[in-house]
Amino acid sequence: DTGVSQDPRHKITKRGQNVTFRCDPISEHNRLYWYRQTLGQGPEFLTYFQNEAQLEKSRLLSDRFSAERPKGSFSTLEIQRTEQGDSAMYLCASSTPTGHPNTEAFFGQGTRLTVV
Amino acid sequence: AQKVTQAQTEISVVEKEDVTLDCVYETRDTTYYLFWYKQPPSGELVFLIRRNSFDEQNEISGRYSWNFQKSTSSFNFTITASQVVDSAVYFCALTLSHGSSNTGKLIFGQGTTLQVKP
Repeated sequence: DTGVSQDPRHKITKRGQNVTFRCDPISEHNRLYWYRQTLGQGPEFLTYFQNEAQLEKSRLLSDRFSAERPKGSFSTLEIQRTEQGDSAMYLCASSTPTGHPNTEAFFGQGTRLTVV
Repeated sequence: AQKVTQAQTEISVVEKEDVTLDCVYETRDTTYYLFWYKQPPSGELVFLIRRNSFDEQNEISGRYSWNFQKSTSSFNFTITASQVVDSAVYFCALTLSHGSSNTGKLIFGQGTTLQVKP
């Protein structure tokens, strides 16, 4: 396992369609994060999992967004009824081998979503 | 609330010049971590350094050095003898590190785009 993997790397979708992104974290990491990054801005926190439990959600995560991490390994982020404002880079990160808090987060290369 | 400010949006230097990227943070908490990440054109955020709020010792790693000053809430990053490969967007970030706030959630600044010209 060489790092955090995200799929797909790019997604173009029509407004109103649903999209789903996948993140495979570093295998021994029990924390997983989703961030959104728009052009010219820093990443903004969306949600956080510790193992399979979703422990925090940002106000940025509207009802159209849902994230899961069913077995405490990979995670999916779904956006329903996409809007043009959802166009952004969606970054996944993982951190913290169990028992070692506050190690640095390792990021994937992101999924760039374009809603047309 | 926590906040990170990187006032420099873009910096352009000529190769071999030294450059300092500024970072100012706000938090009422006394225990926190500060980070610098590099984002090359490929998009992946690359970890550069983590600093504990109790450790104000400056750090040097090769051409990179970091100056952490709690008195001014700043965590500045200097690249010595810059190279074209240093061209990227650099982000400063903050996370809290105690109790229920210990989630590892990162609060990022807006980033500084560094262009190093040959």
